[in-house]
Amino acid sequence: AQSVTQPDIHITVSEGASLELRCNYSYGATPYLFWYVQSPGQGLQLLLKYFSGDTLVQGIKGFEAEFKRSQSSFNLRKPSVHWSDAAEYFCAVGSGGYQKVTFGTGTKLQVIP
Amino acid sequence: AAGVIQSPRHLIKEKRETATLKCYPIPRHDTVYWYQQGPGQDPQFLISFYEKMQSDKGSIPDRFSAQQFSDYHSELNMSSLELGDSALYFCASSLGGFANTGELFFGEGSRLTVL
Repeated sequence: AQSVTQPDIHITVSEGASLELRCNYSYGATPYLFWYVQSPGQGLQLLLKYFSGDTLVQGIKGFEAEFKRSQSSFNLRKPSVHWSDAAEYFCAVGSGGYQKVTFGTGTKLQVIP
Repeated sequence: AAGVIQSPRHLIKEKRETATLKCYPIPRHDTVYWYQQGPGQDPQFLISFYEKMQSDKGSIPDRFSAQQFSDYHSELNMSSLELGDSALYFCASSLGGFANTGELFFGEGSRLTVL
């Protein structure tokens, strides 16, 4: 069964600092990987995804993520965080077909001035 | 561009009552997914449909049922509501599965409060 682990429940960074959010997945084959962002009381917005090909993927709002098969990881990065990036970030994995996408427990990002 | 529409956006019910949530996918999308997100929790997959047939099932309680109609909209029916059913319920859609469309497109959610 597919699963996702986000080891950091809460992260606080200063505005302008770099950011890395960790994500480890468990899945037997090549997974479909996603990062979604959610502001309080809002829906889920896709930041980026990895299906195949180049292991470094670029997303919206200046985010990028790198797929590392050897480490079963798909960490999200941003070189310089803005106050508007404060939100909850979910890593997710899917197996394809018409089946579900499984979400991690999320990492809540706080940005301080 | 048209997005996934969920109704109602907010719903308040008493314990043991029933509730129905509706989801209208993006036009032409034939796959619908339902997720439940409790307070401070991650979205938990409930059930999905492709072309009106159940395509995957997750941790959906027996008190809940869902279906997809010929126009591809979907309804989630919840009976004998419990306090623990209070959550944000998301619907997402895709065309032929998320791998085909590249992502799940999520609605804004329906917030159910059970008193």
